[in-house]
Amino acid sequence: QVQLMESGGGLVKPGGSLRLSCAASGFTFSDYYMAWIRQAPGKGLEWVSYISRSLSTIYYADSVKGRFTISRDNAKNSLYLQMNSLRAEDTAVYFCARGSQVAYFFDFWGQGTLVTVSS
Amino acid sequence: QPVLTQPPSASASLGASVTLTCTLNSDYSNYKVDWYQQKPGKGPRFVMRVGTGGIVGSKGDGIPDRFSVFGSGLSRYLTIENIQEEDESDYHCGADHGSGNNLVWVFGGGTKLTVL
Repeated sequence: QVQLMESGGGLVKPGGSLRLSCAASGFTFSDYYMAWIRQAPGKGLEWVSYISRSLSTIYYADSVKGRFTISRDNAKNSLYLQMNSLRAEDTAVYFCARGSQVAYFFDFWGQGTLVTVSS
Repeated sequence: QPVLTQPPSASASLGASVTLTCTLNSDYSNYKVDWYQQKPGKGPRFVMRVGTGGIVGSKGDGIPDRFSVFGSGLSRYLTIENIQEEDESDYHCGADHGSGNNLVWVFGGGTKLTVL
């Protein structure tokens, strides 16, 4: 069955960096676009970044543009999010999500990893 | 880009029906919306996509027949019939916006459904 497992979250000081990983299994990873979506404590969902199947197309939310970098390794069935210059407002649970093959929505999500930015 | 508005809370009695609402801002009346269910401490689960003509495509894996959708004007609705305890969750609506050279996704604030 489809599984997405995020890791790499933790406590980091403002201005610091963190790298999140998402290990995918149960499907052909290279056939799907992927995304990171976050949820601040007690808040709604916020899309963060998208990467196409072949890595040729990448999009970012304005709130993270220039600070976050999405990447993937299709040989390792893994998705990554490098987060630099972290701010308190980046505190959230970060989910990786698989894109549908038929339209632009997310058909499977991981359990999430918590990132806390605090001094 | 579209803005999606959801009431923060809803409630229904066990065995009853409830309709959750997601409202698009004007100029986006032709947009399709995706519904997601999220239980505490878990990642969201895709429920189904809805446009003004009703469901678009297929339901998510394992979504019961009790869940249905419809759309009208700026509103997109998720109806749950014969509500069960396991339906108590947060329900989020989302939509993609843009074209091939730029895409963004937006979400509503979510509705917390309480089963009484």
